[in-house]
Amino acid sequence: AQSVTQLGSHVSVSEGALVLLRCNYSSSVPPYLFWYVQYPNQGLQLLLKYTSAATLVKGINGFEAEFKKSETSFHLTKPSAHMSDAAEYFCAVSPFSGGYNKLIFGAGTRLAVHP
Amino acid sequence: DTEVTQTPKHLVMGMTNKKSLKCEQHMGHRAMYWYKQKAKKPPELMFVYSYEKLSINESVPSRFSPECPNSSLLNLHLHALQPEDSALYLCASSLQDARGDKQAFFGQGTRLTVV
Repeated sequence: AQSVTQLGSHVSVSEGALVLLRCNYSSSVPPYLFWYVQYPNQGLQLLLKYTSAATLVKGINGFEAEFKKSETSFHLTKPSAHMSDAAEYFCAVSPFSGGYNKLIFGAGTRLAVHP
Repeated sequence: DTEVTQTPKHLVMGMTNKKSLKCEQHMGHRAMYWYKQKAKKPPELMFVYSYEKLSINESVPSRFSPECPNSSLLNLHLHALQPEDSALYLCASSLQDARGDKQAFFGQGTRLTVV
């Protein structure tokens, strides 16, 4: 079964510092991978997705992620954190299942940004 | 229009009540989903509808009854719920496409409290 593991349930960075949120996946076949962000009492917003077209994926709000098959990783980065980046971040994998998108989420990482 | 609209945003119901959650999208997506998210946890898949037919039921108790009356609407009927069913219920939709884009669009959720 496919799964994702997010290392670090809480990450705290200073404003302007590098953001690195870690995600490792387990899959016997190349997966579809996603990063979603969730602000308090909100739904999920897609940051970026990997669908095998390119290993370095650029998303919204300055985020990007690199798919590394050898390390089974899909870490999320942003060069310079902004206060508005404080939120919960979920890595998710979608096994191939007939065309629809059954998402399996990691436990999530809460990002705090302090001045 | 890339929105998934859920109503109501908040719902408080007693254990003997019957209520319904509604979800609507006009993106032409033929796959629609219900997820349940408990506090400080990731979303967990409940149901998947594909072309208005139930494709996946993740062993959800029968007190939750999904319905997909047409390609734009998804309902979740609630009856005889328990306090532990209190959660954020998220609706999502995506293309039904075995080859391509597996991006799921999420609604803002319905915050359900069972008293």
